[in-house]
Amino acid sequence: GAVVSQHPSRVICKSGTSVKIECRSLDFQATTMFWYRQFPKQSLMLMATSNEGSKATYEQGVEKDKFLINHASLTLSTLTVTSAHPEDSSFYICSAPPSGYNEQFFGPGTRLTVL
Amino acid sequence: LAKTTQPISMDSYEGQEVNITCSHNNIATNDYITWYQQFPSQGPRFIIQGYKTKVTNEVASLFIPADRKSSTLSLPRVSLSDTAVYYCLVGDRGGANNLFFGTGTRLTVIP
Repeated sequence: GAVVSQHPSRVICKSGTSVKIECRSLDFQATTMFWYRQFPKQSLMLMATSNEGSKATYEQGVEKDKFLINHASLTLSTLTVTSAHPEDSSFYICSAPPSGYNEQFFGPGTRLTVL
Repeated sequence: LAKTTQPISMDSYEGQEVNITCSHNNIATNDYITWYQQFPSQGPRFIIQGYKTKVTNEVASLFIPADRKSSTLSLPRVSLSDTAVYYCLVGDRGGANNLFFGTGTRLTVIP
């Protein structure tokens, strides 16, 4: 099956700093990728849709200036959490739908801890 | 997108068959039903997808009644490694649209 990777798997940063999370489709091209956030014991919440070559589409309530998304190539989307605060601490997961498959493939997730 | 309702949690002993039911009363004609499994600190993983009647693969079976307003994921002879959260989603078949996750069902398999 298709593989989606994320880097880093976990990151700890100080409040006020920015953190970049990468999402890569390893063996397929993805014109669209999705970014989710998941707090402990809660479900996944869709944050935004990343579109290759164009601006991302953000869900209601998600600040586009705080969560910067760049989909610069058909295999890479990045999520940058700018000026991170402790309340941004969460599990961030990306996904991509390969053509010809009936499913989304999810990355392993990135655990962000903001001190 | 159709909203889904599942039990929050379920417990089962090892070796038993587990059935998790999901309600999706507002499912659209073109919608498929897809189930994902998520282990702690991992991304979700596809289990099974169906449109109507019954679908079976090496992992599970999916039962969908004629009105398609609900579906049941059946896990045969669960083991401890099946302890996870199971999500039922309704949407297009190809998964090319964003996926909205409901609460999911936290299954705990007991020795």
